[in-house]
Amino acid sequence: DTGVSQDPRHKITKRGQNVTFRCDPISEHNRLYWYRQTLGQGPEFLTYFQNEAQLEKSRLLSDRFSAERPKGSFSTLEIQRTEQGDSAMYLCASSLAQGTGPSATNEKLFFGSGTQLSVL
Amino acid sequence: KNEVEQSPQNLTAQEGEFITINCSYSVGISALHWLQQHPGGGIVSLFMLSSGKKKHGRLIATINIQEKHSSLHITASHPRDSAVYICAVRSGTGRRALTFGSGTRLQVQP
Repeated sequence: DTGVSQDPRHKITKRGQNVTFRCDPISEHNRLYWYRQTLGQGPEFLTYFQNEAQLEKSRLLSDRFSAERPKGSFSTLEIQRTEQGDSAMYLCASSLAQGTGPSATNEKLFFGSGTQLSVL
Repeated sequence: KNEVEQSPQNLTAQEGEFITINCSYSVGISALHWLQQHPGGGIVSLFMLSSGKKKHGRLIATINIQEKHSSLHITASHPRDSAVYICAVRSGTGRRALTFGSGTRLQVQP
């Protein structure tokens, strides 16, 4: 399967613990996004990478959240000192942007199946 | 007021019916996406449009930039179309982030 994969699919943790999620995008995709989705709501943007550079971060991304994409391939999202309010589905998406003109501004996103986090 | 609003929130239809889902947004955009989400989380991109109309199989998406409104139509609906349909916009400011609506939950009954 050459789609976007996320690991783990489910994570249950106790409040105060640290958790780390991994996203493997489609191999040639240069853009990678993290979103968070709570029940009954649409996804909310967290952060975005172009290759290894983190170019955008949402105000939702508190100091407890950090994301990396060290080699421009897979990405990790870490949440430190988890809180019950962090319980959500964490979604990763990737895309291929080609060129620098207007056509590079809008590209199709491919989503992973998400990591469901439950903080007890 | 949310930047992206969808209506209806929930929709139940009989198999074969023509379905319309609406999306209104309040900001200038560079593109609008329609996505489909099945139970279990998987999201699939259906359309990306910045003007006019696109068609794929039984699905049609239209956008009116002046009125800041888009519609997703499903012709000859089928129970396998049952899913949550989400509208998302990318602002015209150059930011990459998508802003999502809350979704429309569609149930097509046989």
